[in-house]
Amino acid sequence: DIQMTQSPSSLSASVGDRVTITCQASQDIGNYLNWYQQKPGKAPKLLIYHTSNVEIGVPSRFSGSGSGTVFSFSISILQPEDIATYYCQHYGNLPPYSFGQGTKLEI
Amino acid sequence: QVQLVQSGAEVKKPGASVKVSCKASGYMFTSYYLHWVRQAPGQGLEWMGIINPSGGSTTYAQNFQGRVTVTTDTSTSTLYMELSSLRSDDTAVYYCARDLAAGVLGYWGQGTLVTVSS
Repeated sequence: DIQMTQSPSSLSASVGDRVTITCQASQDIGNYLNWYQQKPGKAPKLLIYHTSNVEIGVPSRFSGSGSGTVFSFSISILQPEDIATYYCQHYGNLPPYSFGQGTKLEI
Repeated sequence: QVQLVQSGAEVKKPGASVKVSCKASGYMFTSYYLHWVRQAPGQGLEWMGIINPSGGSTTYAQNFQGRVTVTTDTSTSTLYMELSSLRSDDTAVYYCARDLAAGVLGYWGQGTLVTVSS
């Protein structure tokens, strides 16, 4: 199975900062990578799909890039409401679809 | 609008089974794959399995092979996940989710807490 490794596991930043999270796949997954945001006590929310496509309704400060085995997720101008844990998830032709271990973002 | 509404919290003893439901509405039930994902307290997300409601074919994560059964009832647009031989480390919030596109989990249920304790 494909393993997803996120870094860092936690991150402290200030309002207005640019924040970047990295996700590395154990083998080439093309562009089959999604990013989710999870706030405490809530279900995850899809932010970015297929590496770089921003889900409808998601602010444009969120972006994603990469391909193959290395991917990144960025928040261009950090807002207080962005406090959450962020997860990458690979998908492709066949499951299983594993998640990264998460990055907890604090302000 | 798409909604996934899950059943309520459960408390089970070790060795028992639990069956969690997820009622879908707002779209054609058989048109999108459905997933189960769980999250142990303070831990990350763990993908459990997927079902094609049109036909019922399933794929499970290796960690759950032999213990999990995912089914659907197309007459009521309801998804089910049954986990057997429960252990204390199965204590978690279990989420159902629907594909936005293949493998993209665009819609999520509210979660169901399953507590396994003697």
